[in-house]
Amino acid sequence: AQSVTQPDIHITVSEGASLELRCNYSYGATPYLFWYVQSPGQGLQLLLKYFSGDTLVQGIKGFEAEFKRSQSSFNLRKPSVHWSDAAEYFCAVGAGGATNKLIFGTGTLLAVQP
Amino acid sequence: NAGVTQTPKFQVLKTGQSMTLQCAQDMNHNSMYWYRQDPGMGLRLIYYSASEGTTDKGEVPNGYNVSRLNKREFSLRLESAAPSQTSVYFCASSGYRSYEQYFGPGTRLTVT
Repeated sequence: AQSVTQPDIHITVSEGASLELRCNYSYGATPYLFWYVQSPGQGLQLLLKYFSGDTLVQGIKGFEAEFKRSQSSFNLRKPSVHWSDAAEYFCAVGAGGATNKLIFGTGTLLAVQP
Repeated sequence: NAGVTQTPKFQVLKTGQSMTLQCAQDMNHNSMYWYRQDPGMGLRLIYYSASEGTTDKGEVPNGYNVSRLNKREFSLRLESAAPSQTSVYFCASSGYRSYEQYFGPGTRLTVT
């Protein structure tokens, strides 16, 4: 069965530092992969997605993610973090089959210190 | 274009009470979903509707019922609320054959 693992529950970075959030998935075929962000008290907003093609995808707010099939990973990166990036980040994979369901990871909570 | 809207935003229930959470989307999407979010557990799918007229159970359907009223609206009903249903509930929608889901702002439900 498909699954998503986000190994880091909580990460703290300094403003201006680089960021990498880890995501590993389990899926037999080429996966459909997503990163969502949830600001406090808000719904989830799509940051970026990977379906096929170029393995480095760009998203909104200066984020990017790289699909690595050999490592079953889809890590999210940002070169310089801003205080407004403090939020919870969720990785998700398409469940496959005849439905459009997503399987979500448990999330990584990002804190940004000045 | 409001996207996905949910009502109410907050609700407090006593054990055994019933209520319906409302969700509507104006993007002409075929599929709609109800999730619950609990600390440390991510989002878990309660029910989904792949298209108007169909509904299916997700990962955690017990204690809930749904109605896909029309293409726009998908409601979630708690018939007899329990403290274990204290959670934040999100509705989402996606287009035909698309995994890309759009989320509502959520309903924070407390059952005492």
